[in-house]
Amino acid sequence: AQSVTQPDIHITVSEGASLELRCNYSYGATPYLFWYVQSPGQGLQLLLKYFSGDTLVQGIKGFEAEFKRSQSSFNLRKPSVHWSDAAEYFCAVGAGSSYKLIFGSGTRLLVRP
Amino acid sequence: DTAVSQTPKYLVTQMGNDKSIKCEQNLGHDTMYWYKQDSKKFLKIMFSYNNKELIINETVPNRFSPKSPDKAHLNLHINSLELGDSAVYFCASSQEWRSGGARTTDTQYFGPGTRLTVL
Repeated sequence: AQSVTQPDIHITVSEGASLELRCNYSYGATPYLFWYVQSPGQGLQLLLKYFSGDTLVQGIKGFEAEFKRSQSSFNLRKPSVHWSDAAEYFCAVGAGSSYKLIFGSGTRLLVRP
Repeated sequence: DTAVSQTPKYLVTQMGNDKSIKCEQNLGHDTMYWYKQDSKKFLKIMFSYNNKELIINETVPNRFSPKSPDKAHLNLHINSLELGDSAVYFCASSQEWRSGGARTTDTQYFGPGTRLTVL
């Protein structure tokens, strides 16, 4: 069965520091992979997605993610975090025909001033 | 010009009541979804409709019934509400596309959520 693991429940970084959020997936075929962000009391906003092609994907707000098939990972990175990046981040895999998104449990990012 | 909208944003009700949540998308998509986010922020799909046809029906109690009057709307009706139904419910939509005879969908876009509290 498909699954997504986000091993870090909380991560705290200082403003201006770099960030990496981990995501590992389990899926038999080539997955469709997504990162969404949820600010407090808000819906989910798409940061970036990987369907095929270049394994380094650029997203909005300065985020990027790299698909590594050998490690079954799709980690999210940002070189310099801003206080406004504090939110919950969800990794998701499109299962089967991708009609169904399987979400990880989320990582809460806290940003120190 | 909201892409995916839901009403109401907040819903507080008593156990045993029946309530509905409405969802509308103006993106021209042909596939819509309902997801449930529990108190631990875990998101799980409940239903999906493609061109008004039910294509995903996860293990959800029969008290939950989705209805899609047209491609732009997907409503969720819940009968006999229970305490455990308290959660945030998200609607989403996407566009189906076909590649080499296979059907799949593009990115799912989410609504702002409806926070349901059952007392």
